[in-house]
Amino acid sequence: KNEVEQSPQNLTAQEGEFITINCSYSVGISALHWLQQHPGGGIVSLFMLSSGKKKHGRLIATINIQEKHSSLHITASHPRDSAVYICAVEATSGSRLTFGEGTQLTVNP
Amino acid sequence: DGGITQSPKYLFRKEGQNVTLSCEQNLNHDAMYWYRQDPGQGLRLIYYSQIVNDFQKGDIAEGYSVSREKKESFPLTVTSAQKNPTAFYLCASSVLALNEQFFGPGTRLTVL
Repeated sequence: KNEVEQSPQNLTAQEGEFITINCSYSVGISALHWLQQHPGGGIVSLFMLSSGKKKHGRLIATINIQEKHSSLHITASHPRDSAVYICAVEATSGSRLTFGEGTQLTVNP
Repeated sequence: DGGITQSPKYLFRKEGQNVTLSCEQNLNHDAMYWYRQDPGQGLRLIYYSQIVNDFQKGDIAEGYSVSREKKESFPLTVTSAQKNPTAFYLCASSVLALNEQFFGPGTRLTVL
């Protein structure tokens, strides 16, 4: 079992829909990261959070430390949101990130 | 413009040849990382460096080597000992270890 599990693996939505991507992890963490990878391969950091909730534009990230779970929400989705979304955690016992396999999101016009 | 660059974007090599991937950053970041990405798998850490002239092995260091002679540069050499080198390689940097990481555009290496 991977330390970081994302669901779903693939997600197709219509423009305007509300989207949720989930991340569960099995280790104690000091922080969790959400990243976005576009088709060309470049990766952008979206959020780094250790508790509660963060919002940036149409993106919202939440984390529940007790349940070892985080969600990434996209409101009013748009085709330009199509990308791979990656969850990564910093274990409290380590000094590196552990990555999930990513969620491929496709938003159709 | 501040950023992190990798070159080249696409690289082809014959089996048995060593190849060096470039990674440069002008963000004045102390920490730099090399990751490998394969289809259907999460990013895996190859090597990382938190300070000049020092680096540590990641989870899949076998068949790779790095150097950190300058703060701005962290080249990765894929040696002939790496059994399955065809992959997408990403370099990243951060102010300190485990802060927000900034990623380069990646190099896609194909070994023929």
